[in-house]
Amino acid sequence: GQQLNQSPQSMFIQEGEDVSMNCTSSSIFNTWLWYKQDPGEGPVLLIALYKAGELTSNGRLTAQFGITRKDSFLNISASIPSDVGIYFCAGLIYNQGGKLIFGQGTELSVKP
Amino acid sequence: NAGVTQTPKFRVLKTGQSMTLLCAQDMNHEYMYWYRQDPGMGLRLIHYSVGEGTTAKGEVPDGYNVSRLKKQNFLLGLESAAPSQTSVYFCASSYLGQSQETQYFGPGTRLLVL
Repeated sequence: GQQLNQSPQSMFIQEGEDVSMNCTSSSIFNTWLWYKQDPGEGPVLLIALYKAGELTSNGRLTAQFGITRKDSFLNISASIPSDVGIYFCAGLIYNQGGKLIFGQGTELSVKP
Repeated sequence: NAGVTQTPKFRVLKTGQSMTLLCAQDMNHEYMYWYRQDPGMGLRLIHYSVGEGTTAKGEVPDGYNVSRLKKQNFLLGLESAAPSQTSVYFCASSYLGQSQETQYFGPGTRLLVL
C-alpha cells in the first residue's frame, strides 16, 4: 500500500531557529496536507497544497508540493515555544474515498 | 459551529467488553472517517463513509464495525475489546474527498483496554 516517510522523527531546537521537515513517497498524491497536533488534541490543519510545485505560506510556515508529486516539505521560520508539538504530513489521492495517508510525524521541541 | 465532536473523551474497558464511540459533525460534510493513533505512528484509517448509509474498510478494520445512519453521525463499535485496541481514536470529516479538500479532526477518544 501507499506509505509516507516523514523525517526527521524528532527535533530539538533553540527558540528563534528555523525548522525544516519533509515527507517522501513512492506514490503520487493529488493533495498534500500538513497538520499539527498538540498533546491531548486532534490534528489541526496548517497548510493544504493542491498543485505540483505549489508553494504556500501561512504566517511563519511555508510548505511546498514537490514537482514529482511524491514529496512535500514544511518550513517553520523563527521558531517560538508554542510551535512545540507533532507535525504530520498527509497525502490524498482522488477517487479513493478521500482517504489520507499519514506520515509517522515529526516531534518538535523548542528550548526557550 | 462545534465542528467535529467525539464522545466519550476517555474510557477504560475490560477485555471482551463492547462499546460504541460516537462522532458528530455539524458542517454538513459527506465524508467521515475513523482513525486510530498509536505511539510513534501516524494515524491509520479504520473505516470510512462516503455518505449516509454507506461504509467502507480502511487500512486496519479488523475488530471494528461502523454505522452511518445519519449524515452527521458516524459510530465506531468494538464488539469484543482486546488490549491491542488500546489507542487514541480520532474521527474526521470532509466535504467530498475531492479536489481542494481537507479533513477536519475531532479531539479524540482515549481508550484503554485492560
